[in-house]
Amino acid sequence: NAGVTQTPKFRVLKTGQSMTLLCAQDMNHEYMYWYRQDPGMGLRLIHYSVGEGTTAKGEVPDGYNVSRLKKQNFLLGLESAAPSQTSVYFCASSTYRGGTYEQYFGPGTRLTVT
Amino acid sequence: SQQGEEDPQALSIQEGENATMNCSYKTSINNLQWYRQNSGRGLVHLILIRSNEREKHSGRLRVTLDTSKKSSSLLITASRAADTASYFCATEQGQGAQKLVFGQGTRLTINP
Repeated sequence: NAGVTQTPKFRVLKTGQSMTLLCAQDMNHEYMYWYRQDPGMGLRLIHYSVGEGTTAKGEVPDGYNVSRLKKQNFLLGLESAAPSQTSVYFCASSTYRGGTYEQYFGPGTRLTVT
Repeated sequence: SQQGEEDPQALSIQEGENATMNCSYKTSINNLQWYRQNSGRGLVHLILIRSNEREKHSGRLRVTLDTSKKSSSLLITASRAADTASYFCATEQGQGAQKLVFGQGTRLTINP
C-alpha cells in the first residue's frame, strides 16, 4: 500500500492564482482531512470529510474549498491565493477499527505564495 | 484555536537519557494521541490513550493522562539519536468525524 500520497510536493504561486492540491489514499478509509502547518502553530484543520460526497469546515476554512467525489481522493482548492496561505499542507485519513483509530498522514505539500 | 499546549517547546538531551514532554488541554476529550514528525515529513501516530485510562505503554514510550488536570505526558526512555523529531499531542472531542486538535509540539533533539 502506498498509504496517503499528496501532489504536488512543492509549488510557488503568485498572489491571485489558483491551484488544487490532490490527496489520495489506498486504505479504504472513510475519513479524510486537510491541515495546514505554520511555524510554531502546530497543525490546524482546514476541511474534512466523513465519506464520499461529504465535506465540512474545520478551524480555518476561509479561502479554501474541498471536494470528495471519490472515496480515495480529497481535493483542496485555493481559488485566489494570498501570501497568508504560504504554509505546509498535510492530508490525512483515518478509519475506526478494533475500538481505536489513528490518522495516517501524507508527506506534505510546501506552498509559497508571493 | 489550539487545544493543546506543549511544554517544553524544545528539549535537548544526551543519548540514553529519558525525555519527558507535557501536554495540557482545555476542554473534555474522548482520547488523546501523540504523534511524531521527522523534519520535512508527515506525522506518524505513536500512541492513543482513552479518557478513562491513566497510563499506557508501548515499547520505550509511556503516556500518562490526568483528566482532572487536563494534562498528559509522554516519556521516551533510553533515548536514541533516531528519536530526534517534533512530538505533538492531539485531542479528540465531540462525536464522530475523529477530528483532532493538535498542540504546537515539542522539538526533541538527542545528542550522540
